[in-house]
Amino acid sequence: AQSVTQLGSHVSVSEGALVLLRCNYSSSVPPYLFWYVQYPNQGLQLLLKYTTGATLVKGINGFEAEFKKSETSFHLTKPSAHMSDAAEYFCAVSGSNFGNEKLTFGTGTRLTIIP
Amino acid sequence: KAGVTQTPRYLIKTRGQQVTLSCSPISGHRSVSWYQQTPGQGLQFLFEYFSETQRNKGNFPGRFSGRQFSNSRSEMNVSTLELGDSALYLCASRNPTTGRNTGELFFGEGSRLTVL
Repeated sequence: AQSVTQLGSHVSVSEGALVLLRCNYSSSVPPYLFWYVQYPNQGLQLLLKYTTGATLVKGINGFEAEFKKSETSFHLTKPSAHMSDAAEYFCAVSGSNFGNEKLTFGTGTRLTIIP
Repeated sequence: KAGVTQTPRYLIKTRGQQVTLSCSPISGHRSVSWYQQTPGQGLQFLFEYFSETQRNKGNFPGRFSGRQFSNSRSEMNVSTLELGDSALYLCASRNPTTGRNTGELFFGEGSRLTVL
């Protein structure tokens, strides 16, 4: 079974400041990890994903995340926040083997950007 | 390439009624998953269909059902609606290749159901 925990349901940062959204996972098999973003009244859009290979993953809109197996973490970062980054962010995990493909989401972190 | 299309986008029902939601996946995607999103429970997995067969099921009562057609389009049905069924229902598709899963889902914009 897989699960994720997102620390902080609300995060506020100033425009231009570092964005750090935290995600820790639990998985009984090698995990695949994802970050999705949701804007108001819209579906979820994939920001980035980790499957295998390089542990530092770059995504869209300047976001990146690092898979740290020793810390069971997959935190999302962006060096400089932009007003358009205001949205809700979801970390998700799935198993890498057949039969464990179901995507399990965290509870989400709402990111507010302060002008 | 067209994205995942869900209809209707918004609907209002009353308790006891039933509702059917429709999802057209991205062309070529054979797997369709459904999620319920509420402020209190977050995103919860309902079920996944692949090649017209339910492959995975979440922990929801039997009032929630789904199906997938030969063209990969999917419908979900909720019978005997309750107030707590008010939610955003999200459909997602992917194209799992044989023997390997990349897990990535492509989501539609959702169907927002309000039960009065």
